[in-house]
Amino acid sequence: AQSVAQPEDQVNVAEGNPLTVKCTYSVSGNPYLFWYVQYPNRGLQFLLKYITGDNLVKGSYGFEAEFNKSQTSFHLKKPSALVSDSALYFCAVSLSGGYNKLIFGAGTRLAVHP
Amino acid sequence: GAVVSQHPSWVICKSGTSVKIECRSLDFQATTMFWYRQFPKQSLMLMATSNEGSKATYEQGVEKDKFLINHASLTLSTLTVTSAHPEDSSFYICSARDHQRNEQFFGPGTRLTVL
Repeated sequence: AQSVAQPEDQVNVAEGNPLTVKCTYSVSGNPYLFWYVQYPNRGLQFLLKYITGDNLVKGSYGFEAEFNKSQTSFHLKKPSALVSDSALYFCAVSLSGGYNKLIFGAGTRLAVHP
Repeated sequence: GAVVSQHPSWVICKSGTSVKIECRSLDFQATTMFWYRQFPKQSLMLMATSNEGSKATYEQGVEKDKFLINHASLTLSTLTVTSAHPEDSSFYICSARDHQRNEQFFGPGTRLTVL
């Protein structure tokens, strides 16, 4: 079965420090991987995606993620966290074939402290 | 980026009534839309895939007679929660697939509270 795991419910980081939000996946075939951010009572905002090509993907707001096929991971990173980055982050995978239905991880709440 | 709207943004209704939620793609045509449900502090669960001009495809465990989906045009899909009960209270989010850009865009969500 296809699944996405975000092992951390919450990540706390000080402003200015690097941040990592972890994601691992389990799918058959080639995965299409996504990161979304959600602010309170809002829908999801797209951050970045991996389809094919370079394993390091750069996205919105200074975020990036690295696709690691051997570890089946797609961790989200940012070199220097901002307080405004505090939000709920979702990793998602789409089944092979493109932008089909997404399977989401449980979400990780990022708290950036001043 | 593309814009997807949802209406209403929030609704409160009495138990036993029906509620309709609209999802619109404002600047592109969407033959496929998706409806998700999100419980507090939990992830999004796909409820159904809505295809323009045909019946929706529901995920396992989702009652199709309870959650009626209509995708009558290329820019509008509606989700009707029939005979709503307090356990239907949730945050409902739609997304629309833009085939030209091969991307999926999310609406802002609708918070349903059933009293």
